[in-house]
Amino acid sequence: QKEVEQDPGPLSVPEGAIVSLNCTYSNSAFQYFMWYRQYSRKGPELLMYTYSSGNKEDGRFTAQVDKSSKYISLFIRDSQPSDSATYLCAMSARASNYQLIWGAGTKLIIKP
Amino acid sequence: GAVVSQHPSRVICKSGTSVKIECRSLDFQATTMFWYRQFPKQSLMLMATSNEGSKATYEQGVEKDKFLINHASLTLSTLTVTSAHPEDSSFYICSASEGAAGYTFGSGTRLTVV
Repeated sequence: QKEVEQDPGPLSVPEGAIVSLNCTYSNSAFQYFMWYRQYSRKGPELLMYTYSSGNKEDGRFTAQVDKSSKYISLFIRDSQPSDSATYLCAMSARASNYQLIWGAGTKLIIKP
Repeated sequence: GAVVSQHPSRVICKSGTSVKIECRSLDFQATTMFWYRQFPKQSLMLMATSNEGSKATYEQGVEKDKFLINHASLTLSTLTVTSAHPEDSSFYICSASEGAAGYTFGSGTRLTVV
């Protein structure tokens, strides 16, 4: 079993829809939870990070962490075609020197 | 915000030659940088952790003599793919961290070995 599980998709939704992207994990020591966006042939770009449980909102993006369920989510409101990309979750723990553990990435396609 | 510059963005080389990829943190000092490899439609695979002033730490299965890493200063780490072969063709990405959660990635290098 992988430490971080993420459905690779692709996930295709119409423009304007609310998108929900998720990851599950098995290591309860994870403290930092991050979402990255990666366009084709580019390096990942940090979208949001959350420390421990809770919600964090930034514009159209909301990140949620439920440590009791070992489940994190990224919601995108009013999705745009420019949001089409691969979204990767990543996690780290102080005990492992903050080394990032990655999900496989979910390919998101927003149809105009 | 923090910026990491990676060069070249794309390189084509002949089999048997060596290729150097540079990763620079432009506006912060990075004692630790990371090198990743990414195959098509797959997630990032950590190759090694580059520590300024000391030897890099390689992940299991990564040949340290093939992928030479040098982190000579707080703003520069280099990855040299030695005696490259077609199977080394991949997308290589570096990242640097300012803190526990502040990872910034370079734009990546597409290596094609012919």
